[in-house]
Parts: sequence; C-alpha cells; structure tokens
Amino acid sequence: NAGVTQTPKFQVLKTGQSMTLQCAQDMNHNSMYWYRQDPGMGLRLIYYSASEGTTDKGEVPNGYNVSRLNKREFSLRLESAAPSQTSVYFCASSEAVGYSNQPQHFGDGTRLSIL
Amino acid sequence: EDQVTQSPEALRLQEGESSSLNCSYTVSGLRGLFWYRQDPGKGPEFLFTLYSAGEEKEKERLKATLTKKESFLHITAPKPEDSATYLCAVECRHLSGGYNKLIFGAGTRLAVHP
Repeated sequence: NAGVTQTPKFQVLKTGQSMTLQCAQDMNHNSMYWYRQDPGMGLRLIYYSASEGTTDKGEVPNGYNVSRLNKREFSLRLESAAPSQTSVYFCASSEAVGYSNQPQHFGDGTRLSIL
Repeated sequence: EDQVTQSPEALRLQEGESSSLNCSYTVSGLRGLFWYRQDPGKGPEFLFTLYSAGEEKEKERLKATLTKKESFLHITAPKPEDSATYLCAVECRHLSGGYNKLIFGAGTRLAVHP
C-alpha cells in the first residue's frame, strides 16, 4: 500500500552539483507530476507527464529536466544546482491522462538544501 | 490572470470552536476545486472534489461548499488532530490549449488547542 514513493527524503548539495530525485507510484496511474513548495507560496508545477512517453513543462521548469522512465517512474534532475532551488519537492500521480478532474496522490517529499 | 487565494493564512481555534476556511478564485473555465490536508513533513492528502456551484461534500467534521467565486471548508467542533495545513487547488481551462491546469493556493495553517 505504498502509493507514491520519493527518494531521497533529505539532501544537501553544493552550488553547481547535480542530482536526480526519484519517484515511483504503484497505482497504475497515467499522469505524474513534479512540484516544488516554498514558504508562503502554493505548490508550483515544474514538469508533468500526462502519459508514459510524454513530458511537458509546467510553470517553473528552468534548471530542471525530467524522465518518464516507464509508467511507474518519473525522475527529476537538477543539472547544476543553485541556491534558488532550495525547496521541498513533491511528486504526484493521478489516474487521468493529464489534468481531468481527478485528484492527485502525493509522495511525502524531498527536502533539498543547496548551499 | 488565474489566481487562487486562501484566507486566513493561519487560524488558531480552541477544541470545539467551529470555524471556516476560505478559498477564493478567479480563473477561466472552472473544471473542479480540490481540498487537501497537509501534515508537517508529509505530502498533501486528498479530501474533496467539488465541480459546480452549490455542491457540498462532507467527511467527519469537515464540510466543503462551492460558489461561483469561492469555496469554504467548514470545520465543526474541531479536535487537536484536525491541526494541519489545508490546501485548496483549482483546475481550470488552459487558454493556450492542451490539458487543463491546476493552481494551488498557499494554504491555511490550522492549529486546534485542547
């Protein structure tokens, strides 16, 4: 009964380092999403994948890349981390193909600090 | 510009003291409004979906309502375990085509004290 699993839970990076955040869902959902959550702001969409094999930019895609490895897994990569990317990152999934009035199911987040 | 605003930012209640949280929105073509609960260190947990003005949904001490411009989350006789951040999200039409988009409010932090 795992739902959406994110790894790692915490990470500290130095400016310029790269890393990949992993996300996997076991609900056979079609759509997957990456958000960032910053204090005082709503969740903001970085990238999404409406179905296996497709990815699209969201509201704040600069500095990030994604890969929809298969139906279960959707990874987020920071190629050259910057302090402005310090945030909590959430992965989510939904049954629908793209946004379509279906609720999203979230993982518990990755807390990323960039020094 | 599409916008979702939640108020208040923070709310402190005594156990048993009923209140309401507000989510107001200005969007193009509402497709649905979602309420989520978020506990510290956790991801948002889905509570309700509302699709049209006049609709209401209930779950235990929570009741969500929707009008053409806002939604309310009413909390009746809250308990300390209701303490959390409550997020509102609005799904609306994407003017540039393609899939709909989802806009989150910043949330209301609710603290219920015994």
